[in-house]
Amino acid sequence: SAVISQKPSRDICQRGTSLTIQCQVDSQVTMMFWYRQQPGQSLTLIATANQGSEATYESGFVIDKFPISRPNLTFSTLTVSNMSPEDSSIYLCSVVVRGSDEKLFFGSGTQLSVL
Amino acid sequence: GESVGLHLPTLSVQEGDNSIINCAYSNSASDYFIWYKQESGKGPQFIIDIRSNMDKRQGQRVTVLLNKTVKHLSLQIAATQPGDSAVYFCAEPWVGYGGSQGNLIFGKGTKLSVKP
Repeated sequence: SAVISQKPSRDICQRGTSLTIQCQVDSQVTMMFWYRQQPGQSLTLIATANQGSEATYESGFVIDKFPISRPNLTFSTLTVSNMSPEDSSIYLCSVVVRGSDEKLFFGSGTQLSVL
Repeated sequence: GESVGLHLPTLSVQEGDNSIINCAYSNSASDYFIWYKQESGKGPQFIIDIRSNMDKRQGQRVTVLLNKTVKHLSLQIAATQPGDSAVYFCAEPWVGYGGSQGNLIFGKGTKLSVKP
């Protein structure tokens, strides 16, 4: 497994502002992803964070709304831009750890509330 | 529609009893399934996985059963403890065109409550 640290763990933000979430992993990872979990719902993949290049977004998610960086193998950021109350969710960083037989591990998440 | 789903949204069991959480899937080509446990305020935690070439896999106090005929899998927790209280998700990789490697399709989740 791996220790996946996300910051902040929770935040309350005003409509129209942006929040950047950080994800740091203590192990060598092959892939990093960002998921969203809306209140009382299951998880949905937002994008794959690619090292040194633009992220790969899933249907329904766009770079302008959710810009992602991954400057190295173990660190990534997700920004939630121009927030509205509909963006209130838990945002989760997840990784595939090298040598873990392709298992997907999750961070503890960032609980975002937008007023 | 959703590929992976759960039969029951909530399950309440007595401490010490066995728990069974069910999951149905619709894609007969699915060949890998994972169970995750999510405690309140935490991210999903990997519990156990199973590939389609197996019918059963056992871990510590947990067993996953896969019935490919009816496209159903279940998670059995033996001697359920208060610490097992959580939401349990089944998941499978999305096998559609262009799907990302990390694109897991999660079921809706079953909330397990353990009564002392």
